[in-house]
Amino acid sequence: DQQVKQNSPSLSVQEGRISILNCDYTNSMFDYFLWYKKYPAEGPTFLISISSIKDKNEDGRFTVFLNKSAKHLSLHIVPSQPGDSAVYFCAASEGNNNDMRFGAGTRLTVKP
Amino acid sequence: GAGVSQTPSNKVTEKGKYVELRCDPISGHTALYWYRQSLGQGPEFLIYFQGTGAADDSGLPNDRFFAVRPEGSVSTLKIQRTERGDSAVYLCASSLTGGAYYNEQFFGPGTRLTVL
Repeated sequence: DQQVKQNSPSLSVQEGRISILNCDYTNSMFDYFLWYKKYPAEGPTFLISISSIKDKNEDGRFTVFLNKSAKHLSLHIVPSQPGDSAVYFCAASEGNNNDMRFGAGTRLTVKP
Repeated sequence: GAGVSQTPSNKVTEKGKYVELRCDPISGHTALYWYRQSLGQGPEFLIYFQGTGAADDSGLPNDRFFAVRPEGSVSTLKIQRTERGDSAVYLCASSLTGGAYYNEQFFGPGTRLTVL
């Protein structure tokens, strides 16, 4: 069962504009959420996380928003840069456990 | 500083064969994870080690899959009687400690396994 869903397999934006990547989850027990970024032939790298006690976390150009009632989170990248082109995975954890659940990923392309 | 390394980077085998995939975690990281990423999917949790012991192996799909970490550092994922459905990228990650909260996992580049 797919408990974490990224319904957009791809997204294309112009350099300098905002990129918004979306993620939905079904398990209401998830309380910690992460975004990972993956370049080809490399492993995923951690980008940003958010605990369920918050609704927003910001780190430079990256902001994650959490809407618990809608079981939805999003990653905003402003301004987008060509180097941001990668596959972005949303992940969630139930408690301080180790079996994170990942979405299928969204491929972001930022055009110069 | 070396990151997580995995060998081989690619492995092609025939159905029914046995394979071993190796992971060298970041030095000092006590937690080690294995994931499987099938085409078009995100990583799928397989097993988590804290030190030498498998603290959570709930993600292993069946008894053909086994993993060890005998000295609390290097880990080997072993797959017996491989099937075509085992074809995937196998990712290893390590972190300073276990637990998801504020505990960054560092991933290796993966081993691409192809079962013919």
